[in-house]
Amino acid sequence: DSGVTQTPKHLITATGQRVTLRCSPRSGDLSVYWYQQSLDQGLQFLIQYYNGEERAKGNILERFSAQQFPDLHSELNLSSLELGDSALYFCASSVDDRGEQYFGPGTRLTVT
Amino acid sequence: DAKTTQPNSMESNEEEPVHLPCNHSTISGTDYIHWYRQLPSQGPEYVIHGLTSNVNNRMASLAIAEDRKSSTLILHRATLRDAAVYYCILSPAGGTSYGKLTFGQGTILTVHP
Repeated sequence: DSGVTQTPKHLITATGQRVTLRCSPRSGDLSVYWYQQSLDQGLQFLIQYYNGEERAKGNILERFSAQQFPDLHSELNLSSLELGDSALYFCASSVDDRGEQYFGPGTRLTVT
Repeated sequence: DAKTTQPNSMESNEEEPVHLPCNHSTISGTDYIHWYRQLPSQGPEYVIHGLTSNVNNRMASLAIAEDRKSSTLILHRATLRDAAVYYCILSPAGGTSYGKLTFGQGTILTVHP
């Protein structure tokens, strides 16, 4: 158990819908990262927040957005969902803005 | 981002040492070398990282070549639980990439009983 929690574990929704994935970092960690893992693209970095502020951005689609709240939990919002958004979404956390990352168990999103 | 090259797959027997290689010929002077692994149906797990010197921790050892163009992750006694995909990742110490990890295809390690 890494200490990072993600909810929900599974999510099934239809194309065009919007979903929110939630992540609670390990106690004391200030950075949260979001990654997407699909069969064809592998594990891809989406975005990083550090102490509430966006710190680094990867290949995150404009339909996706994220934020980190004052209590340091983070949410990833995915809108206008497409079939290709079906993937595992992982959240990770680290103590500072570049330390070793601890990954949560992931949220499996299925878009039908 | 500097690239890494790893074998697609490797096999080992239980209780034997495993040496997982990684080539990173375009590594820059400030790039850290990280290793993560992903067990089946789980999120990636941090294994070890280093800059220039060899590193040891309770999970593994990291041997870094003198020219830093390659490194080897060493599992001293493989167990069935070590069967996973192992990723070798370069991460710059500075700049705006911060903690971004760029995962490649990794090496699928199979451990035989």
